[in-house]
Amino acid sequence: DAGITQSPRHKVTETGTPVTLRCHQTENHRYMYWYRQDPGHGLRLIHYSYGVKDTDKGEVSDGYSVSRSKTEDFLLTLESATSSQTSVYFCAISEGRELPVNDFGPGTRLTVT
Amino acid sequence: LAKTTQPISMDSYEGQEVNITCSHNNIATNDYITWYQQFPSQGPRFIIQGYKTKVTNEVASLFIPADRKSSTLSLPRVSLSDTAVYYCLNTNAGKSTFGDGTTLTVKP
Repeated sequence: DAGITQSPRHKVTETGTPVTLRCHQTENHRYMYWYRQDPGHGLRLIHYSYGVKDTDKGEVSDGYSVSRSKTEDFLLTLESATSSQTSVYFCAISEGRELPVNDFGPGTRLTVT
Repeated sequence: LAKTTQPISMDSYEGQEVNITCSHNNIATNDYITWYQQFPSQGPRFIIQGYKTKVTNEVASLFIPADRKSSTLSLPRVSLSDTAVYYCLNTNAGKSTFGDGTTLTVKP
């Protein structure tokens, strides 16, 4: 998981509370991504960033917001957590627009009760 | 980005060559074909990427026919540690749509 950390690694929260997940990279890559993965399924893109303060939506962005104030940090916020947002969240980075995502973080397991 | 279609599962034995085929009938002109490997409780790991014809690296080969509507990941001489889920994706500008992947089980 070269140069990518996620915090927290595990979190249990109650429905309706706000939650922020953090992704930190030391690779100085321009592109950062947030994915979620539900049991038995592949990853789904939530949001991505192509530079500081530059973000865009993925295929499952409803209920999530992101911010990127520094190259190395990409935050994912659940404004009001719901049980359907119980999932494993992965952060990823890539060097350039035409390059594949080749580094994923270790994941954050979020449980909303 | 269109989703791809892969077999749900495959079994193999140690030392065999494994070929996993993926269908991507709706691939766009600018899409690349990318394969990832994922172990339980870990993030996906990039294996290989190609646009057309054949690509080979130190762990796998990727075969893409001229119409690009399918691709085949070839893993030479698999070992027990290759047991994992393998995802085929169409990738554009770094963005990828994951399907449900192929669970490869390598038996001794």
